[in-house]
Amino acid sequence: EADIYQTPRYLVIGTGKKITLECSQTMGHDKMYWYQQDPGMELHLIHYSYGVNSTEKGDLSSESTVSRIRTEHFPLTLESARPSHTSQYLCASTGLASPNEQFFGPGTRLTVL
Amino acid sequence: KNQVEQSPQSLIILEGKNCTLQCNYTVSPFSNLRWYKQDTGRGPVSLTIMTFSENTKSNGRYTATLDADTKQSSLHITASQLSDSASYICVVHDRGSTLGRLYFGRGTQLTVWP
Repeated sequence: EADIYQTPRYLVIGTGKKITLECSQTMGHDKMYWYQQDPGMELHLIHYSYGVNSTEKGDLSSESTVSRIRTEHFPLTLESARPSHTSQYLCASTGLASPNEQFFGPGTRLTVL
Repeated sequence: KNQVEQSPQSLIILEGKNCTLQCNYTVSPFSNLRWYKQDTGRGPVSLTIMTFSENTKSNGRYTATLDADTKQSSLHITASQLSDSASYICVVHDRGSTLGRLYFGRGTQLTVWP
């Protein structure tokens, strides 16, 4: 079991609310990623980070933002949630010891009403 | 266009039976291919990794094959158990990307019935 954690696991909120999805890993991994996954669909990369103070947008356009102030922490923020943001959000990280393997957190299931 | 295609989309088998899941990819240049298992409501967990030179690799009841010439991989599950019910995702790593670019299939949803 990988040491990567996400909170909350489930979140139901109303439109217009600001939310932050938390992701932390205790493996000292430099690279971290956020994916969005809809049922029956592939994972889409929305943000990634090579290390502290490094953040980049992924392939799928997203209105969310991320920050990387500490190596172990990579939170994702939505300033104003909308029903179109309803999805599963998965955080992952990669370390030097196994650079081709991404370790995934359990995910956050977000529902915006 | 998704560069990783998996089949079947879903599969139902009885406990104890074997099954084979397929993955075709067009990702190039190829670095490696992983099969992940994703339980409902959980993140994917790596089962096996196949590099260019490997044809077959086993991990318990899971056996993965790779044909780099035809760009096909399969995951064979023997003596299935109820706990095998999950989505199995094929992920291909692009060797040409410094990011460590991964291409994900949509997964095969496997259901094992008692």
